[in-house]
Amino acid sequence: AQSVTQLDSHVSVSEGTPVLLRCNYSSSYSPSLFWYVQHPNKGLQLLLKYTSAATLVKGINGFEAEFKKSETSFHLTKPSAHMSDAAEYFCVVSGVRDMRFGAGTRLTVKP
Amino acid sequence: EPEVTQTPSHQVTQMGQEVILRCVPISNHLYFYWYRQILGQKVEFLVSFYNNEISEKSEIFDDQFSVERPDGSNFTLKIRSTKLEDSAMYFCASSPIGGGLPNTGELFFGEGSRLTVL
Repeated sequence: AQSVTQLDSHVSVSEGTPVLLRCNYSSSYSPSLFWYVQHPNKGLQLLLKYTSAATLVKGINGFEAEFKKSETSFHLTKPSAHMSDAAEYFCVVSGVRDMRFGAGTRLTVKP
Repeated sequence: EPEVTQTPSHQVTQMGQEVILRCVPISNHLYFYWYRQILGQKVEFLVSFYNNEISEKSEIFDDQFSVERPDGSNFTLKIRSTKLEDSAMYFCASSPIGGGLPNTGELFFGEGSRLTVL
């Protein structure tokens, strides 16, 4: 079965500093992995996805993630946080017929 | 840009009442999903729908739940007799190809319908 674990429920950074949101996955198959973002009172928006092509995946708004099979990780990073990045972030792994969400990481950006 | 739309954005209902949540998926998409998120908890898969039938459902999706695509554009989730624990945000999603293996595609989510059961 596929699952993801988001290692931090809450991350707080200052504007302009790097962002690291951690995700480990478990999968019986070669996984497809996604990061979605949810802004307050909004739906879920795809940031980026990994589907067995390049291990370093670039997404929208300057985010990127690196697939590391040896560490079963798919951490999300951004070099410089912006106030508008404050949101809930979900790491998602594709299951056999559905997608399994992590518990989410709330990112707070301080001025 | 095409998007998934959901109505209502918020519904308050009494325990035991029937609720229908509506979704309009993106028009050329073939796969449809419902997920829910109880406050403070994970986003959980409920059901997937393809070719006018349920293709997969979770253990949460019991006999109180049903889905329908009544007219080729809407995709509805019905809860027959709501319970307090059904209070959650319900997300509809659609995909041009399946969201699971082996044809993993991006799921496009709506903004959610918040259901409050009193």
